[in-house]
Amino acid sequence: QEQLVESGGGLVKPGGSLRLSCAASGFTLSDFYMNWVRQAPGKGLEWVSYISNGDSNTIYYADSVRGRFTVSRDYAKNSLYLHMSSLRVEDTAVYSCARDWRHLAMDVWGQGTPVTVSS
Amino acid sequence: QSVLTQPPSVSAAPGQKVTISCSGTSSNIGSRYVSWYQQVPGTAPKLLIYEDDKRFSGISDRFSASKSGTSATLDITGLQTGDEADYYCETWDNSLTGVVFGGGTKLSVL
Repeated sequence: QEQLVESGGGLVKPGGSLRLSCAASGFTLSDFYMNWVRQAPGKGLEWVSYISNGDSNTIYYADSVRGRFTVSRDYAKNSLYLHMSSLRVEDTAVYSCARDWRHLAMDVWGQGTPVTVSS
Repeated sequence: QSVLTQPPSVSAAPGQKVTISCSGTSSNIGSRYVSWYQQVPGTAPKLLIYEDDKRFSGISDRFSASKSGTSATLDITGLQTGDEADYYCETWDNSLTGVVFGGGTKLSVL
């Protein structure tokens, strides 16, 4: 069964850092483009980042996180990561990874890991 | 303010049809494929439609979609109470160089 499981969320102070993980199972991460998407409490979906497949290193970020967040992957661990720094209160959200099946249609989603930025 | 504009809410009676619109520009909907998702609160989004009008595997034929110019629509026929959820359109924006989601539409089946 194809599955994504996120971890690493938690409570962090403004200006702090956190690393989220997304473990893939049932499929090979290197075969797919992957996305990070977040959802603030009571709000809609907001795209965060996109990373290409294979050995290509094409990466895009939303304006709201560019320069503060970094996406990476470890194919040996079949995992995707989101390194978040200089965190702001407005970064508070549930962060989910999602598989890009084709043309940015995201067919497999994790349940998400909550991140709370608060003093 | 989302780049893609959706009505905040729509409602209809069981068995009826509802249409959810998604308005964009030539930089996004007008030149890229649109996907649609259903999200029941507290659960992960579910892919309904890809490449503008293709139903994803296992999706009921009560769900259909189309695109014309810079707007896309999702139609749901034979409404059921289980269809109550938030619906999102999504595509790529060439100007922003990133993925954009609509603000979401809450469907109520009265």
